[in-house]
Amino acid sequence: AQSVAQPEDQVNVAEGNPLTVKCTYSVSGNPYLFWYVQYPNRGLQFLLKYITGDNLVKGSYGFEAEFNKSQTSFHLKKPSALVSDSALYFCAVRPSADRGSTLGRLYFGRGTQLTVWP
Amino acid sequence: KAGVTQTPRYLIKTRGQQVTLSCSPISGHRSVSWYQQTPGQGLQFLFEYFSETQRNKGNFPGRFSGRQFSNSRSEMNVSTLELGDSALYLCASSLAGGNRETQYFGPGTRLLVL
Repeated sequence: AQSVAQPEDQVNVAEGNPLTVKCTYSVSGNPYLFWYVQYPNRGLQFLLKYITGDNLVKGSYGFEAEFNKSQTSFHLKKPSALVSDSALYFCAVRPSADRGSTLGRLYFGRGTQLTVWP
Repeated sequence: KAGVTQTPRYLIKTRGQQVTLSCSPISGHRSVSWYQQTPGQGLQFLFEYFSETQRNKGNFPGRFSGRQFSNSRSEMNVSTLELGDSALYLCASSLAGGNRETQYFGPGTRLLVL
Protein backbone atom coordinates (compact mmCIF):
# COMPACT_ATOMS: atom_id res chain seq x y z
CA ALA A 1 0.00 0.00 0.00
CA GLN A 2 1.11 3.52 -0.74
CA SER A 3 1.08 6.22 1.94
CA VAL A 4 2.58 9.56 2.86
CA ALA A 5 3.12 11.10 6.28
CA GLN A 6 3.59 14.77 6.95
CA PRO A 7 4.39 14.73 10.64
CA GLU A 8 3.82 18.44 11.26
CA ASP A 9 0.39 19.96 10.80
CA GLN A 10 1.88 23.42 11.12
CA VAL A 11 5.28 24.99 10.58
CA ASN A 12 6.04 28.56 11.62
CA VAL A 13 9.14 30.40 10.48
CA ALA A 14 10.33 34.00 10.38
CA GLU A 15 10.83 35.69 7.05
CA GLY A 16 14.38 35.31 5.82
CA ASN A 17 14.99 32.12 7.78
CA PRO A 18 15.33 28.71 6.13
CA LEU A 19 12.27 26.51 6.11
CA THR A 20 11.76 22.76 6.04
CA VAL A 21 8.52 20.88 5.55
CA LYS A 22 8.86 17.20 6.29
CA CYS A 23 7.54 14.22 4.34
CA THR A 24 8.07 10.49 4.69
CA TYR A 25 6.58 7.85 2.45
CA SER A 26 5.81 4.19 2.06
CA VAL A 27 5.51 2.73 -1.43
CA SER A 28 5.81 -0.56 -3.27
CA GLY A 29 9.10 -0.49 -5.11
CA ASN A 30 10.76 2.75 -6.09
CA PRO A 31 8.89 6.02 -5.51
CA TYR A 32 8.01 8.99 -7.61
CA LEU A 33 7.59 11.93 -5.24
CA PHE A 34 5.82 15.26 -5.66
CA TRP A 35 5.28 18.49 -3.77
CA TYR A 36 2.27 20.74 -4.30
CA VAL A 37 1.22 24.02 -2.68
CA GLN A 38 -2.32 25.27 -2.13
CA TYR A 39 -3.24 28.88 -1.48
CA PRO A 40 -6.62 29.72 0.08
CA ASN A 41 -9.57 28.95 -2.17
CA ARG A 42 -7.30 27.69 -4.91
CA GLY A 43 -6.37 24.37 -6.45
CA LEU A 44 -3.04 22.63 -6.00
CA GLN A 45 -0.01 24.13 -7.70
CA PHE A 46 2.88 21.85 -8.68
CA LEU A 47 6.25 22.73 -7.12
CA LEU A 48 8.64 19.91 -7.94
CA LYS A 49 9.04 16.17 -8.35
CA TYR A 50 11.63 13.44 -7.96
CA ILE A 51 11.64 10.71 -10.56
CA THR A 52 15.24 9.52 -10.74
CA GLY A 53 18.80 10.84 -10.69
CA ASP A 54 20.14 13.56 -8.44
CA ASN A 55 18.68 13.33 -4.94
CA LEU A 56 18.40 17.13 -4.70
CA VAL A 57 15.55 18.41 -6.82
CA LYS A 58 15.05 22.09 -7.56
CA GLY A 59 11.62 23.47 -8.25
CA SER A 60 9.57 26.62 -8.57
CA TYR A 61 9.88 29.77 -6.43
CA GLY A 62 13.25 28.79 -4.94
CA PHE A 63 12.02 25.55 -3.38
CA GLU A 64 14.03 22.36 -3.38
CA ALA A 65 13.60 18.90 -1.95
CA GLU A 66 15.99 16.16 -0.98
CA PHE A 67 15.20 12.51 -1.65
CA ASN A 68 16.63 10.17 0.97
CA LYS A 69 15.95 6.55 0.13
CA SER A 70 17.33 5.07 3.35
CA GLN A 71 15.12 7.32 5.46
CA THR A 72 12.20 7.17 2.98
CA SER A 73 11.97 10.94 3.16
CA PHE A 74 11.44 13.79 0.75
CA HIS A 75 11.66 17.01 2.75
CA LEU A 76 10.85 20.34 1.13
CA LYS A 77 13.27 23.19 1.78
CA LYS A 78 13.86 26.82 1.00
CA PRO A 79 16.95 28.77 2.09
CA SER A 80 15.12 32.02 2.82
CA ALA A 81 11.37 32.09 3.50
CA LEU A 82 9.03 34.80 2.26
CA VAL A 83 5.72 35.88 3.76
CA SER A 84 4.15 34.99 0.41
CA ASP A 85 5.24 31.34 0.93
CA SER A 86 2.54 31.02 3.61
CA ALA A 87 0.23 28.29 2.31
CA LEU A 88 -0.74 24.63 2.67
CA TYR A 89 1.87 22.20 1.36
CA PHE A 90 1.17 18.65 0.23
CA CYS A 91 3.57 15.81 -0.37
CA ALA A 92 2.45 13.01 -2.70
CA VAL A 93 3.83 9.68 -3.87
CA ARG A 94 3.28 7.17 -6.64
CA PRO A 95 5.02 3.85 -7.20
CA SER A 96 7.34 3.74 -10.17
CA ALA A 97 5.55 0.77 -11.76
CA ASP A 98 2.33 1.65 -13.58
CA ARG A 99 -0.52 -0.57 -12.48
CA GLY A 100 -4.24 -0.30 -12.93
CA SER A 101 -4.66 0.58 -9.28
CA THR A 102 -2.26 3.51 -9.48
CA LEU A 103 -3.05 5.03 -12.87
CA GLY A 104 -3.89 8.70 -12.59
CA ARG A 105 -3.72 8.54 -8.82
CA LEU A 106 -1.57 10.50 -6.40
CA TYR A 107 -1.34 9.42 -2.77
CA PHE A 108 -1.29 12.57 -0.66
CA GLY A 109 -0.21 13.41 2.85
CA ARG A 110 -2.54 15.38 5.11
CA GLY A 111 -0.78 18.64 4.40
CA THR A 112 1.37 21.07 6.40
CA GLN A 113 0.28 24.64 6.97
CA LEU A 114 3.30 26.91 6.59
CA THR A 115 3.15 30.35 8.15
CA VAL A 116 5.95 32.80 7.53
CA TRP A 117 6.01 35.73 9.96
CA PRO A 118 7.29 39.13 8.82
CA LYS B 1 -1.30 26.97 -22.70
CA ALA B 2 -4.45 27.44 -20.72
CA GLY B 3 -4.58 25.53 -17.47
CA VAL B 4 -7.17 23.14 -16.17
CA THR B 5 -10.56 24.80 -15.86
CA GLN B 6 -13.45 23.74 -13.68
CA THR B 7 -17.03 24.92 -13.67
CA PRO B 8 -18.85 26.02 -11.71
CA ARG B 9 -16.53 27.36 -9.04
CA TYR B 10 -19.16 27.34 -6.32
CA LEU B 11 -22.36 25.40 -5.82
CA ILE B 12 -24.98 25.24 -3.13
CA LYS B 13 -27.35 22.27 -3.13
CA THR B 14 -29.72 20.64 -0.69
CA ARG B 15 -29.71 17.08 0.53
CA GLY B 16 -31.16 14.61 -1.93
CA GLN B 17 -30.37 16.68 -5.00
CA GLN B 18 -27.85 15.72 -7.62
CA VAL B 19 -25.00 17.77 -9.05
CA THR B 20 -22.75 17.71 -12.11
CA LEU B 21 -19.28 19.24 -12.13
CA SER B 22 -17.24 19.89 -15.24
CA CYS B 23 -13.51 19.80 -15.95
CA SER B 24 -11.60 20.83 -19.06
CA PRO B 25 -8.02 19.52 -19.09
CA ILE B 26 -4.93 21.18 -20.48
CA SER B 27 -4.88 20.93 -24.26
CA GLY B 28 -3.31 17.63 -25.30
CA HIS B 29 -3.84 15.96 -21.93
CA ARG B 30 -5.93 12.83 -22.14
CA SER B 31 -5.98 11.70 -18.52
CA VAL B 32 -8.33 13.37 -16.07
CA SER B 33 -8.41 12.54 -12.36
CA TRP B 34 -10.85 13.72 -9.73
CA TYR B 35 -10.20 14.25 -6.02
CA GLN B 36 -12.33 15.26 -3.07
CA GLN B 37 -10.77 17.53 -0.46
CA THR B 38 -12.26 17.91 3.01
CA PRO B 39 -10.75 19.14 6.27
CA GLY B 40 -11.39 15.80 7.94
CA GLN B 41 -10.32 13.34 5.25
CA GLY B 42 -7.82 15.41 3.28
CA LEU B 43 -7.36 14.69 -0.41
CA GLN B 44 -9.08 11.51 -1.56
CA PHE B 45 -8.95 10.04 -5.03
CA LEU B 46 -12.30 9.56 -6.73
CA PHE B 47 -11.53 8.21 -10.21
CA GLU B 48 -9.44 8.60 -13.33
CA TYR B 49 -10.45 8.65 -16.98
CA PHE B 50 -8.40 8.16 -20.11
CA SER B 51 -9.76 7.99 -23.63
CA GLU B 52 -13.34 7.99 -22.38
CA THR B 53 -12.68 4.97 -20.14
CA GLN B 54 -12.57 4.84 -16.37
CA ARG B 55 -9.28 3.15 -15.55
CA ASN B 56 -9.12 3.59 -11.82
CA LYS B 57 -11.56 4.22 -9.04
CA GLY B 58 -11.20 5.19 -5.40
CA ASN B 59 -13.24 4.03 -2.47
CA PHE B 60 -16.40 6.08 -2.89
CA PRO B 61 -20.02 4.94 -3.07
CA GLY B 62 -21.80 4.47 -6.36
CA ARG B 63 -23.49 7.85 -5.96
CA PHE B 64 -20.26 9.28 -7.31
CA SER B 65 -19.84 8.74 -11.02
CA GLY B 66 -18.08 10.33 -13.92
CA ARG B 67 -17.48 10.27 -17.60
CA GLN B 68 -15.09 11.59 -20.18
CA PHE B 69 -15.86 12.87 -23.62
CA SER B 70 -13.96 12.44 -26.85
CA ASN B 71 -12.37 15.88 -26.42
CA SER B 72 -11.03 14.72 -23.00
CA ARG B 73 -13.36 17.00 -21.06
CA SER B 74 -14.75 15.24 -18.03
CA GLU B 75 -17.77 15.50 -15.80
CA MET B 76 -18.46 14.02 -12.43
CA ASN B 77 -21.90 13.51 -10.98
CA VAL B 78 -23.01 13.07 -7.41
CA SER B 79 -26.55 11.83 -6.89
CA THR B 80 -28.66 11.92 -3.74
CA LEU B 81 -26.42 14.47 -2.07
CA GLU B 82 -25.57 14.09 1.61
CA LEU B 83 -24.26 16.73 4.00
CA GLY B 84 -20.91 14.92 4.05
CA ASP B 85 -20.48 15.54 0.33
CA SER B 86 -19.68 19.17 1.07
CA ALA B 87 -16.13 19.54 -0.14
CA LEU B 88 -13.75 21.05 -2.64
CA TYR B 89 -13.73 18.86 -5.75
CA LEU B 90 -10.49 19.05 -7.67
CA CYS B 91 -9.80 17.89 -11.16
CA ALA B 92 -6.30 17.21 -12.46
CA SER B 93 -5.00 16.41 -15.91
CA SER B 94 -1.88 14.79 -17.28
CA LEU B 95 -0.76 13.50 -20.64
CA ALA B 96 -1.64 9.84 -20.19
CA GLY B 97 -1.91 9.19 -16.45
CA GLY B 98 1.44 7.46 -16.12
CA ASN B 99 3.07 7.41 -12.72
CA ARG B 100 6.01 9.65 -13.61
CA GLU B 101 3.78 12.35 -15.10
CA THR B 102 2.92 15.56 -13.32
CA GLN B 103 -0.75 16.12 -12.62
CA TYR B 104 -1.90 19.71 -13.05
CA PHE B 105 -4.83 20.79 -10.97
CA GLY B 106 -7.73 23.10 -11.64
CA PRO B 107 -9.02 25.68 -9.13
CA GLY B 108 -11.71 23.32 -7.88
CA THR B 109 -15.45 23.43 -7.40
CA ARG B 110 -16.58 24.12 -3.88
CA LEU B 111 -19.81 22.28 -3.14
CA LEU B 112 -21.91 23.09 -0.12
CA VAL B 113 -24.77 20.72 0.71
CA LEU B 114 -27.44 22.12 3.04
